[in-house]
Order: sequence, then C-alpha cells, then structure tokens
Amino acid sequence: NAGVMQNPRHLVRRRGQEARLRCSPMKGHSHVYWYRQLPEEGLKFMVYLQKENIIDESGMPKERFSAEFPKEGPSILRIQQVVRGDSAAYFCASSARQGSGEQYFGPGTRLTVT
Amino acid sequence: SQQGEEDPQALSIQEGENATMNCSYKTSINNLQWYRQNSGRGLVHLILIRSNEREKHSGRLRVTLDTSKKSSSLLITASRAADTASYFCATDLRSYNTDKLIFGTGTRLQVFP
Repeated sequence: NAGVMQNPRHLVRRRGQEARLRCSPMKGHSHVYWYRQLPEEGLKFMVYLQKENIIDESGMPKERFSAEFPKEGPSILRIQQVVRGDSAAYFCASSARQGSGEQYFGPGTRLTVT
Repeated sequence: SQQGEEDPQALSIQEGENATMNCSYKTSINNLQWYRQNSGRGLVHLILIRSNEREKHSGRLRVTLDTSKKSSSLLITASRAADTASYFCATDLRSYNTDKLIFGTGTRLQVFP
C-alpha cells in the first residue's frame, strides 16, 4: 500500500533551467496539493488539483510556475527559468475526497538552484 | 500572513518529561491538525481535531482545541529521544471550495536521552 510518491527526491538546477517535479498520489486518491517549504519555515500552500482540473491556485506565483494533474499519470509541478529563490523543499499531499480533512504527504523534492 | 503560529519556537527537554506546544490561529476553522517533520524529511500526520471537539487522544499525544481563544495545544507525554522533530499545526479553512491547509511556523522539539 504505497504512500504518496515524489520524484526526484533531490534536484539541482542552474539558474534559467526548468524544474519538473512529479507526484503520484496514494492509490484511490484523486485530490493533490502542492506546498513549498523554505528553510526553517512552515509549509506554504501553492495549488490544489483534481484530475484534469485546477481547483485553487491562490498560492502559486503568477509567473514561471504551473501545475497539472492529467487523467493518466502523476501530477507535475513545473518551474520555468528557475532562480535561486526557488530553492526549497516542495511537498505533495493527497486526499481521497474533499472535506476528508487528512492529507497524506510525500517525502518531498528538495530543489537547489545554483 | 501565517494563519497559525506555534509557541514556543524551540523546546529542549529530557527523556521522560512532557512536552507542550501551542498553536494560535486567526480565523474560523473546520479542523486543526498536527504534523511532525523529522529533519530533512516529509510530514507525518499525527492527529486531527474538528472544530466541534475539545480534546483528542492518540497514544502519548493529547490535543486540545479552544475555538473561543482560537488556540490548540499538543502534549506529548513521557517523551523519547525519537520524538525529536519539528511539530506543525495546520488549519483547514475550507473556504472557496478548497481544502488547502494553512501551516504554522513550527516548534522544534529536542529530547535529550
């Protein structure tokens, strides 16, 4: 019974490159959330997706960031033209249904921009 | 601004002692959850307490919720060195058809053997 899976676990990118972070939710979960955690801080909500739909992207930066959750395959968080300030841990969480309360988190992807 | 703020920011205790962490929030909530994060790792869900509940237990964990004061506390009894981690509270506002969680700033707990 695999939990939420994220890959890669660590990603190093040079400034200006693209970063693609993947998240496979728990089996049977169709709700995915992305959060970002800067060093020594709590998690900040970025985006909430259901299959093929973005429900809430109020925490996403207006430029360079995008997310998708296709009908088949993992959810993808894409960061174009990365800058040093994008260096952070990016966590994905999933839930079975809206209003269930609990979100199950993956191990995170640690992005380092050099 | 952060919905939740934990207090204290850091706490150091000896094994066997109890650890109490507090969380305050600003707006009405549907539920409040506590998570643990070991250094460099993901989050582990500890306990969820709904807005109509006042206290909840799970093993050595005891969570209270006071909606009139907009605050919650997490008590870990008989602490162990393995409890060393950061602890975060998170609130579910369930506004605008979203279940996004708003996390506090965290309490770093260190338990010395």
